[in-house]
Amino acid sequence: SQTIHQWPATLVQPVGSPLSLECTVEGTSNPNLYWYRQAAGRGLQLLFYSVGIGQISSEVPQNLSASRPQDRQFILSSKKLLLSDSGFYLCAWSPGLAGGNEQFFGPGTRLTVL
Amino acid sequence: KNQVEQSPQSLIILEGKNCTLQCNYTVSPFSNLRWYKQDTGRGPVSLTIMTFSENTKSNGRYTATLDADTKQSSLHITASQLSDSASYICVVSYSGGGADGLTFGKGTHLIIQP
Repeated sequence: SQTIHQWPATLVQPVGSPLSLECTVEGTSNPNLYWYRQAAGRGLQLLFYSVGIGQISSEVPQNLSASRPQDRQFILSSKKLLLSDSGFYLCAWSPGLAGGNEQFFGPGTRLTVL
Repeated sequence: KNQVEQSPQSLIILEGKNCTLQCNYTVSPFSNLRWYKQDTGRGPVSLTIMTFSENTKSNGRYTATLDADTKQSSLHITASQLSDSASYICVVSYSGGGADGLTFGKGTHLIIQP
């Protein structure tokens, strides 16, 4: 069966510090991968998605970047965190593009920027 | 503009009671509608996914309905349990949409009291 992991589970970082969140998927090949941010009282916002190694699409201009160095690994990064980067970050995968396929979410990372 | 509106924003009911959550959408052309359950601090987990031709779909004590004409969906929870306390998110995808083809509602926060 497929599983999706995220780490760390929680993170507290000062403003201006770098960020690296990791997501890995097991039990499937060539998944589509996604990074979402969930702010309090708001719906999930798609940040990035990837249909293959090295292929990244960005949905919103922001202080963050994503990379996919391996088929089942997706990384969310920042060089300098802002206060507004605080939130709950979710990684997800789907067997095909999300529009027509079910997405499976990871456990999430709670990021607090102070 | 594609939108998904959920109501109520929050709901408190006693254990053992039934409840119904609402989802109205303006997504077009419609592909499918999904209900997710998200426990506090965890990733969303899929409850049901419904296509245009499906009116009702059940998953245990959860029953989702879809009226594609009025663009409304509901999630009915029967004989609520304390473990049903969570946020319930309605997600609608549009036909032809790719990885970014999903519109998320802000969710209904359900609290079950003993």
